[in-house]
Amino acid sequence: AQSVTQPDARVTVSEGASLQLRCKYSYFGTPYLFWYVQYPRQGLQLLLKYYPGDPVVQGVNGFEAEFSKSNSSFHLRKASVHWSDWAVYFCAVSMFPMGYKLTFGTGTSLLVDP
Amino acid sequence: AQTIHQWPVAEIKAVGSPLSLGCTIKGKSSPNLYWYWQATGGTLQQLFYSITVGQVESVVQLNLSASRPKDDQFILSTEKLLLSHSGFYLCAWSPRTGGDAEQFFGPGTRLTVL
Repeated sequence: AQSVTQPDARVTVSEGASLQLRCKYSYFGTPYLFWYVQYPRQGLQLLLKYYPGDPVVQGVNGFEAEFSKSNSSFHLRKASVHWSDWAVYFCAVSMFPMGYKLTFGTGTSLLVDP
Repeated sequence: AQTIHQWPVAEIKAVGSPLSLGCTIKGKSSPNLYWYWQATGGTLQQLFYSITVGQVESVVQLNLSASRPKDDQFILSTEKLLLSHSGFYLCAWSPRTGGDAEQFFGPGTRLTVL
């Protein structure tokens, strides 16, 4: 069965510092991977998505993620964090061709120190 | 552009009372539709999905039911609420079935069961 693990429940970074949020997946085959962001009391917004191909994926607002098959990982990165990035970030995996089943990780809460 | 609307924004209901939550997609014909539940501070659990009008598949049993009476409408309901039904309910849509079909989420409905 497909699964996603986000090992860090909470990450705190200073504004302007770089960021990495970790995501490990478990899936037999080629996964389709996504990062979503949830701002307080709102729905989810898609940051970026990975399809088989270039391992580094660019997303919105300066986010990028790198897929590693050998490490079963899909970590999210940002070079310089802004206070408005304060939110909860979810990694998710989808199984082709049954794309309607989207499995989410437990989320990482990002806190930004001013 | 596609828009997704959920109603109501929030509900406070008594244990044992009925519930009906709605979701409408505008600007996209024949979308795949999904219901998710999120406990406070928790991850997202997919509840139902629908590929076409009148057809709904259950992913997890939580004493809830779903229906798709129109192409652009998805309804989540129960005749008798439990305390465990409290949380955040999110509707989502995707343009097609397939592992790479990202899902787009609505603003959510916050449900409190007392």
